[in-house]
Amino acid sequence: DAKTTQPNSMESNEEEPVHLPCNHSTISGTDYIHWYRQLPSQGPEYVIHGLTSNVNNRMASLAIAEDRKSSTLILHRATLRDAAVYYCILRDVTPNAGGTSYGKLTFGQGTILTVHP
Amino acid sequence: DTEVTQTPKHLVMGMTNKKSLKCEQHMGHRAMYWYKQKAKKPPELMFVYSYEKLSINESVPSRFSPECPNSSLLNLHLHALQPEDSALYLCASSYYGGLHNEQFFGPGTRLTVL
Repeated sequence: DAKTTQPNSMESNEEEPVHLPCNHSTISGTDYIHWYRQLPSQGPEYVIHGLTSNVNNRMASLAIAEDRKSSTLILHRATLRDAAVYYCILRDVTPNAGGTSYGKLTFGQGTILTVHP
Repeated sequence: DTEVTQTPKHLVMGMTNKKSLKCEQHMGHRAMYWYKQKAKKPPELMFVYSYEKLSINESVPSRFSPECPNSSLLNLHLHALQPEDSALYLCASSYYGGLHNEQFFGPGTRLTVL
């Protein structure tokens, strides 16, 4: 499985933008970049994903480097509720016996984001 | 309903007990997953079910036995567990198993093995 490297922790102030980096130098051409986050005492939740182009949704933006060896998750205005562990994941396609493919999630260590009031 | 529910929230069991964890979703998802998460570690995939059939077993010990009785339910049967099996067990589901389909996670069952 292709691996990702993230900083162990980052800090931000409320209402300021946050840029969470992820390095994935061994990414293959068909790997999608997914971001999930896990709030305290909850299961992970999907944030965003992309392949080559930058992506936006209501939660965040994903900026992908032209060579795809790194990406950045952008939270435009951090709130206290955004304090969580953020996981950058390269989604692996694993065929099953029936021939259909799976986007298996292999979580790395993630970045612990602390947001200060 | 965009929720994955898991019961019980907490479970304490001895090494000789047999217990089961339950997961339920009513989103019409056809892929369901079990993950194990040790304290301060990332989740690790255990099993994947697709259309009620076991598709991936990540070399999980046989003391963990998954079951998918129908498309909405996923069980994890536990027997003769060890203290090192104490962890948060997370269930997730997605429409299909493919690359684009986000996984929806439940809140987990916190298991303690004495």
